[in-house]
Amino acid sequence: DAKTTQPNSMESNEEEPVHLPCNHSTISGTDYIHWYRQLPSQGPEYVIHGLTSNVNNRMASLAIAEDRKSSTLILHRATLRDAAVYYCILRDGAQGAQKLVFGQGTRLTINP
Amino acid sequence: GAGVSQTPSNKVTEKGKYVELRCDPISGHTALYWYRQSLGQGPEFLIYFQGTGAADDSGLPNDRFFAVRPEGSVSTLKIQRTERGDSAVYLCASSSNPGQYEQYFGPGTRLTVT
Repeated sequence: DAKTTQPNSMESNEEEPVHLPCNHSTISGTDYIHWYRQLPSQGPEYVIHGLTSNVNNRMASLAIAEDRKSSTLILHRATLRDAAVYYCILRDGAQGAQKLVFGQGTRLTINP
Repeated sequence: GAGVSQTPSNKVTEKGKYVELRCDPISGHTALYWYRQSLGQGPEFLIYFQGTGAADDSGLPNDRFFAVRPEGSVSTLKIQRTERGDSAVYLCASSSNPGQYEQYFGPGTRLTVT
């Protein structure tokens, strides 16, 4: 599985936008970019995924660079409940169901 | 609806003992995954079931670890001769079909080997 690189930690303020970066310079053409997050003492939860185009859902937006070597998860208006570890994961869409390969993720702290 | 459930939520056992951890996936989900998470690390894949069969067990660390899913629903992760290094949170996830992009995780079982 291709590797992703994320900052270890980030900090933001409540009600402000948050941009969480992810580098994946060795991404292949069939790799989907997935984001999961893990709140304290819980299992991970799916946030969003995309292939080439930017994606929006009720939780977040995913901006994918034109060369697909990086992406950014955008939380438009952070709340205290968004404090979590965010994982950027590549998953090969050509291989059907596959395990998720988690890195260290980015620990996001939200200040009130 | 009901999510993925795991029992027990906490398990403390002595080194050398045998333990079983149970996972109840979301009803109707055919794919089931086990991961384990050590403190400060991301989850690490152990095994994946499609129906009753293990489609990928490449993450099982050694032959002390074994998992079953006899009826294609509930799964049990079994660890023999536990070691202190087995202490971790064991996470289970399920998805509705092999190609579904979203895995739904349970809350995990925290295993402590003393």
